[in-house]
Amino acid sequence: GAVVSQHPSRVICKSGTSVKIECRSLDFQATTMFWYRQFPKQSLMLMATSNEGSKATYEQGVEKDKFLINHASLTLSTLTVTSAHPEDSSFYICSAPNPTSSLLGDTQYFGPGTRLTVL
Amino acid sequence: QKEVEQNSGPLSVPEGAIASLNCTYSDRVSQSFFWYRQYSGKSPELIMSIYSNGDKEDGRFTAQLNKASQYVSLLIRDSQPSDSATYLCAAARGGGADGLTFGKGTHLIIQP
Repeated sequence: GAVVSQHPSRVICKSGTSVKIECRSLDFQATTMFWYRQFPKQSLMLMATSNEGSKATYEQGVEKDKFLINHASLTLSTLTVTSAHPEDSSFYICSAPNPTSSLLGDTQYFGPGTRLTVL
Repeated sequence: QKEVEQNSGPLSVPEGAIASLNCTYSDRVSQSFFWYRQYSGKSPELIMSIYSNGDKEDGRFTAQLNKASQYVSLLIRDSQPSDSATYLCAAARGGGADGLTFGKGTHLIIQP
């Protein structure tokens, strides 16, 4: 199946710094990618939809100026957490839809996730 | 707000028995539904997808969908200790190009 990678897998940073997380589709092109966040013992919550060549679409309650998304190419989307604070500590996971399926609600291929800890 | 509801558990099932996981959803626009398995500290892994009313079987797994009742279920036959994980139910938002709405997950424990 399609493979999605994320980098880094784990990052620890000081409060106030910015952290960039990369999401890559390795063997297919993705015009759309999704960014989710998962707090401990909670489910995945969709943060934003990353669109190649246009602005990202953010979910209600997600600050677009804090979580900067750039979909620079058909295989790369980046999420930058600006001025990170301890409450931003979470598991960030990206996904991309199945490029070969035309069915509604295409299968999402998930990256391995990035564990962010803000001290 | 569109929601997917699951019993968080834990659900404890003896090895070899059938594990039954249930999920309800509120968005009638959703057309596609998924079951993911998630181990602690890992990202979700797709187990089953289902789009039509009725049953869909894949090996030891059977997904069931009832759109009238807005209900999705997953049966795991011949449960193994390696099936112990959190199972996430997800519904495609809108036409599928809008990401997924996840339930909080059911923690399943298979007792040897």
